Amino acid sequence: DTGVSQDPRHKITKRGQNVTFRCDPISEHNRLYWYRQTLGQGPEFLTYFQNEAQLEKSRLLSDRFSAERPKGSFSTLEIQRTEQGDSAMYLCASSSPQARAAYGYTFGSGTRLTVV
Amino acid sequence: KQEVTQIPAALSVPEGENLVLNCSFTDSAIYNLQWFRQDPGKGLTSLLLIQSSQREQTSGRLNASLDKSSGRSTLYIAASQPGDSATYLCAAPNQAGTALIFGKGTTLSVSS
Repeated sequence: DTGVSQDPRHKITKRGQNVTFRCDPISEHNRLYWYRQTLGQGPEFLTYFQNEAQLEKSRLLSDRFSAERPKGSFSTLEIQRTEQGDSAMYLCASSSPQARAAYGYTFGSGTRLTVV
Repeated sequence: KQEVTQIPAALSVPEGENLVLNCSFTDSAIYNLQWFRQDPGKGLTSLLLIQSSQREQTSGRLNASLDKSSGRSTLYIAASQPGDSATYLCAAPNQAGTALIFGKGTTLSVSS
């Protein structure tokens, strides 16, 4: 297993367009997290899945954002009608109760979104 | 509500110096605390995970300590090198234990 994979690495989009990001977690991890990080800030929690169930959503996750994790494997994060304020690094992480105890959370390399 | 604060926000040192990065958290009922490294424009790399039952954890030139009673953790970097230049992030679990709460990070610059 090569860790948490995110695609694409970079995305430039025009304001008003929809974008979708993908995250492939470590295969044995049942928990998957999305975070957003803006320049000079630490990552901020957006949402969390356990298997296919979305169990928690931050107030940062406006109604233009939707996340899915069909079949409890990969996850997608879609942003509709993008705004310039959506420009950020979107990070995905995964864990399991056993892995979390031993290694904590494992993060991917992120998707850098630029809205022009 | 868990809040994580890191001091200083930025630090510049000459190569070879030993240094300490500080992290404080408000909710001491944590089961672990994790330190990450982030290079510019990149994702997060886990450095050290300290369990609540441990007082410190070591990996190479890095040593992290945890004092739950005071709500503090420190990351000690020995004999710093230019390759250590990066942003260091501290993260503690939220009260529900369902996600990590991050500080804003300390950006370290080590000059040769």
